[in-house]
Amino acid sequence: GDSVTQMEGPVTLSEEAFLTINCTYTATGYPSLFWYVQYPGEGLQLLLKATKADDKGSNKGFEATYRKETTSFHLEKGSVQVSDSAVYFCALILTQGGSEKLVFGKGTKLTVNP
Amino acid sequence: DAGITQSPRHKVTETGTPVTLRCHQTENHRYMYWYRQDPGHGLRLIHYSYGVKDTDKGEVSDGYSVSRSKTEDFLLTLESATSSQTSVYFCAISDYRALLSGNTIYFGEGSWLTVV
Repeated sequence: GDSVTQMEGPVTLSEEAFLTINCTYTATGYPSLFWYVQYPGEGLQLLLKATKADDKGSNKGFEATYRKETTSFHLEKGSVQVSDSAVYFCALILTQGGSEKLVFGKGTKLTVNP
Repeated sequence: DAGITQSPRHKVTETGTPVTLRCHQTENHRYMYWYRQDPGHGLRLIHYSYGVKDTDKGEVSDGYSVSRSKTEDFLLTLESATSSQTSVYFCAISDYRALLSGNTIYFGEGSWLTVV
């Protein structure tokens, strides 16, 4: 079935370190791909998205490229800040038979230390 | 921010009691969802609605029911709460056309439920 697999956390980095959070997917159709971020005590917010192969989503210094050949959508940031500490969710949305199917990964907790 | 309000935001209830969580939106979006979030499981879909009085089950629907009598309100009911239903519950909304164009769903701020 359709699924999203992201790297297990937690991830702990020092400020200004490089971040990669891996995400791969399995889908029968052509999904749109998303990264959501959840700060402590809050709901999920859209971080970035990509709707077709080779698209690059970017926001707040984060980037992810939709790689159809490797079915991946890895999240990267060149220099993390303490304020980036949060849980990050990879997700896909498929349209099947006129309805939408939403699938989330299990989330990766990131802690950035000063 | 999308206009989504969840209530109550925090609730403690006893095992065996019914509990209803409410999600109210001001965006006139067609789709509404209830998710639960638990450590190690991420977000799991409980039920969703694709229109007034049109609902369907998600992956963890046992023990839950939903109702949508108006576009703006989507209610989640725990018929007889159990300790395994202690969780954070998130409502989400989306517009069908927005999803087709690769847009997103919007989440509420969550409802923390503890069943003792």
